[in-house]
Amino acid sequence: AQKITQTQPGMFVQEKEAVTLDCTYDTSDPSYGLFWYKQPSSGEMIFLIYQGSYDQQNATEGRYSLNFQKARKSANLVISASQLGDSAMYFCAMREFNTGNQFYFGTGTSLTVIP
Amino acid sequence: DSGVTQTPKHLITATGQRVTLRCSPRSGDLSVYWYQQSLDQGLQFLIQYYNGEERAKGNILERFSAQQFPDLHSELNLSSLELGDSALYFCASSVGWVTYNEQFFGPGTRLTVL
Repeated sequence: AQKITQTQPGMFVQEKEAVTLDCTYDTSDPSYGLFWYKQPSSGEMIFLIYQGSYDQQNATEGRYSLNFQKARKSANLVISASQLGDSAMYFCAMREFNTGNQFYFGTGTSLTVIP
Repeated sequence: DSGVTQTPKHLITATGQRVTLRCSPRSGDLSVYWYQQSLDQGLQFLIQYYNGEERAKGNILERFSAQQFPDLHSELNLSSLELGDSALYFCASSVGWVTYNEQFFGPGTRLTVL
């Protein structure tokens, strides 16, 4: 089974609107972390946000928030007030802390912000 | 600029050869991570070092090896190269070894195996 699933290969959003990028995960490890990364067309990788499995509150970093629904095993990224510079690939990842500390990445979602 | 440097930026080599990719972490960061991004395999975690010691191992092939030196820079050695090893290799660094610390990525090394 896939550890990380991103079901939206491509998404479009109007500038200044909010957008949600979906991510579901699969693990039996009670201790894990969830990550989102952004990769613009220039190719660099940018860490956006982290959520730990024991964190009670959803993580937020500026315009980014992580909608963590543990029972559903989902970790959706919400970008508020989209900007043109948000156009990029977005990757969801998970790390299992009790089973080898390996990272697992999703296949990514390409987000295009329309002016 | 993330503060993480990777050299070389581009590398073109032939099948069967061996190459070394180098990464210098941000000042003060003790952890170094290596990732591979290819069209076939997507993004894959290879290995993590913390203060010179291996901390986590991912899908790193036996033909690949890495180390972190006392000055904290890291090298990823790829040997007996195959066409499928063509990829973008990222290094990242963070302060601690557990990754709720923010990771900072280098610009990557684009490896092309002909």
